[in-house]
Amino acid sequence: EDKVVQSPLSLVVHEGDTVTLNCSYEVTNFRSLLWYKQEKKAPTFLFMLTSSGIEKKSGRLSSILDKKELFSILNITATQTGDSAVYLCAVAPAGTYKYIFGTGTRLKVLA
Amino acid sequence: DTGVSQDPRHKITKRGQNVTFRCDPISEHNRLYWYRQTLGQGPEFLTYFQNEAQLEKSRLLSDRFSAERPKGSFSTLEIQRTEQGDSAMYLCASSLGQGDEKLFFGSGTQLSVL
Repeated sequence: EDKVVQSPLSLVVHEGDTVTLNCSYEVTNFRSLLWYKQEKKAPTFLFMLTSSGIEKKSGRLSSILDKKELFSILNITATQTGDSAVYLCAVAPAGTYKYIFGTGTRLKVLA
Repeated sequence: DTGVSQDPRHKITKRGQNVTFRCDPISEHNRLYWYRQTLGQGPEFLTYFQNEAQLEKSRLLSDRFSAERPKGSFSTLEIQRTEQGDSAMYLCASSLGQGDEKLFFGSGTQLSVL
């Protein structure tokens, strides 16, 4: 059965720290992987990683995809209190339209 | 364009009642998804539309759940004979398709079944 596992489940850091969030997956014929940030209601899009785009960066956030080892990481450098949120990873198997989400990592950044 | 819009934001109902939620996707997006999210969990796929055609439905979706997308624009999700286990956040998302698969989510409808 296709599945996505995120770790850690929760994380508390201080402002300025660097964090690494993990997402491992087992899906049939991987198509793409998405990272989202969910603060209160609507998840907001961060990155999309595919076979043709295995590394993405935007400001203090960056992500890589390792298709051989079946995982992705999301790095946040110089964390700020505004980074506090749940970070969700989702993977799309080929031959289906759905994305399978992990349970998320709850990040809390203390001032 | 104001993004994906969902209505109502909150719904409280008694067990056994029927409820209907509405989703208005981003106007040029032809792909529309419904997800359900409970506390501490990631969103769980319910169903997918491409234009007006419902192309995929979760095996977990009971026959009390039905979704439509007439004319390929807004979509409705109806739950009949609600149960307490249906209490959750119901999220709608849309995407452009055509190689751009980023999902854009609405703020969701929080359903509480008493």
